[in-house]
Amino acid sequence: GNSVTQMEGPVTLSEEAFLTINCTYTATGYPSLFWYVQYPGEGLQLLLKATKADDKGSNKGFEATYRKETTSFHLEKGSVQVSDSAVYFCALSAGAGNNRKLIWGLGTSLAVNP
Amino acid sequence: DTAVSQTPKYLVTQMGNDKSIKCEQNLGHDTMYWYKQDSKKFLKIMFSYNNKELIINETVPNRFSPKSPDKAHLNLHINSLELGDSAVYFCASSQGTGGRQPQHFGDGTRLSIL
Repeated sequence: GNSVTQMEGPVTLSEEAFLTINCTYTATGYPSLFWYVQYPGEGLQLLLKATKADDKGSNKGFEATYRKETTSFHLEKGSVQVSDSAVYFCALSAGAGNNRKLIWGLGTSLAVNP
Repeated sequence: DTAVSQTPKYLVTQMGNDKSIKCEQNLGHDTMYWYKQDSKKFLKIMFSYNNKELIINETVPNRFSPKSPDKAHLNLHINSLELGDSAVYFCASSQGTGGRQPQHFGDGTRLSIL
């Protein structure tokens, strides 16, 4: 079946450190891949997405590349800030027709210290 | 000009009571969702409506009953509340089903059962 696996948190980094949050998936057909971010006390919001293999999604300094050969969509940022402290969710949209739906990872909590 | 708004933001009540959460979106989307997020941030889809028609009904106790009076509103009624219902409930909306288009979330309703 379709599934998403994210690295477990919490992840704790110092400001300006490099961030990688791993996400791998299992899916049939042609999934779309997403990263959502949830800041404290708020709902989730879309951070970036990629709809086909080799696409790179980017936003707010974050990037993720849709790698079909490794079934991965790892989230990266070169220099994190305290304001990036949040929970990050990897998700995939897969399935056919009316069975297509969004499948969520478990979320990875990130804390950035000054 | 809030896109997806939920009320109330906080709900504290006794076990056995019945309560409702309301959700409204002004984005013109045709699909709305209810999610439950537990204390470990695990996100679980509960229901989804497309043009007022129920399209996703995950394994949820029948004490939970959604109602969509029109495309812009999706309410959630919960009967005989139990301790395990304590969680944050998120409403979301999107244009189209299947997760291809980004989902827009409200800020959540924090339900605490005493």
